Amino acid sequence: QLQLQESGPGLVKPSGTLSLTCAVSGGSLSSNNYFWAWIRQPPGKGLEWIGSIYYSGGTYYNPSLKSRATISVDTSNNQFSLKLNSVTAADTAVFYCARGEGYCSGGDCWGFYFDYWGQGTLVTVSS
Amino acid sequence: QSALTQPASVSGSPGQSITISCTGTSSDVGSFNLVSWYQHHPGKAPKVMIYEGTKRPSGVSDRFSGSKSGNTASLTISGLQAEDEADYYCCSYAGSTTLVFGGGTKLTVL
Repeated sequence: QLQLQESGPGLVKPSGTLSLTCAVSGGSLSSNNYFWAWIRQPPGKGLEWIGSIYYSGGTYYNPSLKSRATISVDTSNNQFSLKLNSVTAADTAVFYCARGEGYCSGGDCWGFYFDYWGQGTLVTVSS
Repeated sequence: QSALTQPASVSGSPGQSITISCTGTSSDVGSFNLVSWYQHHPGKAPKVMIYEGTKRPSGVSDRFSGSKSGNTASLTISGLQAEDEADYYCCSYAGSTTLVFGGGTKLTVL
C-alpha cells in the first residue's frame, strides 16, 4: 500500500521560504504515468493545486503562484519536495502531497486525478 | 486559471439523493472528460470518489456517480448515509498539464 508523509517546519517567517518534503513508501517515485503533486488548503477555504512533477523531470505549476514554487524529486531517498519563496500570511495552509495518475499522448489525455494523499501538514506564516 | 464553481453547501436526509454541481469553462471542464471528485473528512486525507468524469475507483460505493453536461460536471450521491457527510471537491484537467479545483461543497446529512 502506497503511503505518503509530509514533513517540514510548521512555522515560517514572512518573506522567508517554506520547505516541505514528502516521503513515499510502499512504491517507487519512478513509476510510469504517475506524477507527484503538492496541494494546499488555507484555513476555511478550498483545495488549491500548487504543482506537479513527473519522474522524467517535467514540472508544472499553478500560474497564480507567479513562479514562487519549485518542486523537485530525490529518487535516492524516494521523496519529493516543495519550496515556496517570498511567503506571506496568505500562504498559511495545510499542505498535502499526493500521487497523481495521468498523462497525455498524441493530443489525448487520460486520468489526471489523485489516488493517494498524505495526511497533510499545517504551515503557518507568522513573525 | 480560476477555481471551479461549486455550491457552498447541500443537504439531504438519509436515503435521499443529492447532486453537487461543478461549473468551469470551455478551457477546463468543457474541453476534457477529466473531472475527478474527492470526499474530504476534516483532519483526514481526501479520497477520490470519481475520476475521468464517470469512473469509480475500486472500493467506492456505486451510490456515487458522476456526469457532465457542457461546462458543468456533477456528482450524485444516492441513498444518502450519515457517513457521507463531508466536504466534496471537484477537480478538472485544465490543459498544459495543469489542474484546477473547485471551492468545495459541504454536505450535511440531516
